[in-house]
Amino acid sequence: SQQGEEDPQALSIQEGENATMNCSYKTSINNLQWYRQNSGRGLVHLILIRSNEREKHSGRLRVTLDTSKKSSSLLITASRAADTASYFCATASPNTGNQFYFGTGTSLTVIP
Amino acid sequence: DAGVTQSPTHLIKTRGQQVTLRCSPKSGHDTVSWYQQALGQGPQFIFQYYEEEERQRGNFPDRFSGHQFPNYSSELNVNALLLGDSALYLCASSPGLAGALGNEQFFGPGTRLTVL
Repeated sequence: SQQGEEDPQALSIQEGENATMNCSYKTSINNLQWYRQNSGRGLVHLILIRSNEREKHSGRLRVTLDTSKKSSSLLITASRAADTASYFCATASPNTGNQFYFGTGTSLTVIP
Repeated sequence: DAGVTQSPTHLIKTRGQQVTLRCSPKSGHDTVSWYQQALGQGPQFIFQYYEEEERQRGNFPDRFSGHQFPNYSSELNVNALLLGDSALYLCASSPGLAGALGNEQFFGPGTRLTVL
């Protein structure tokens, strides 16, 4: 499977702590995107990182990409209860027709 | 600026029936992709439409078909429904082919399909 795989599957932290989730994939990519999904609803785009980029920031979000290890990480700093959601990475690869492949997600719970 | 809209929100069908789901892309977007998301899983790519043609297709049977209209809106049709087709169906739009160009995809709220 070309799917990205998020790790951990579930994460529970206290409000104010940082949350880190990881994504691994199997083939070379054009870009990688992170999404958030609140229970059973549509996905919200968080951040896109291209294969020639190593790090991007957006507000409290920091994404890194290591193409040599075929992995990415999403860091949410100073977490809030509203950050409680599932987080998915999606990869697009020229080797697979540039379709987007999503992982199974990390379920984040931020305890107030 | 309206985002991606989908209709209906919920739908209940019985096995063997046919269903049509609809999607209007975000203003300025010309590409629509459809995804199926089973409970507890990540979205699975069904197909992508650009310039009224299917450009990419995931590993889904021919029972799943689609259409894109000149105004860029799109329909997903599923024939001969199976119990396993019960899922959240998500539509995403982008300016051009998102995967190749590295463009962001914007998702709609989804249609929850239940097959009894």
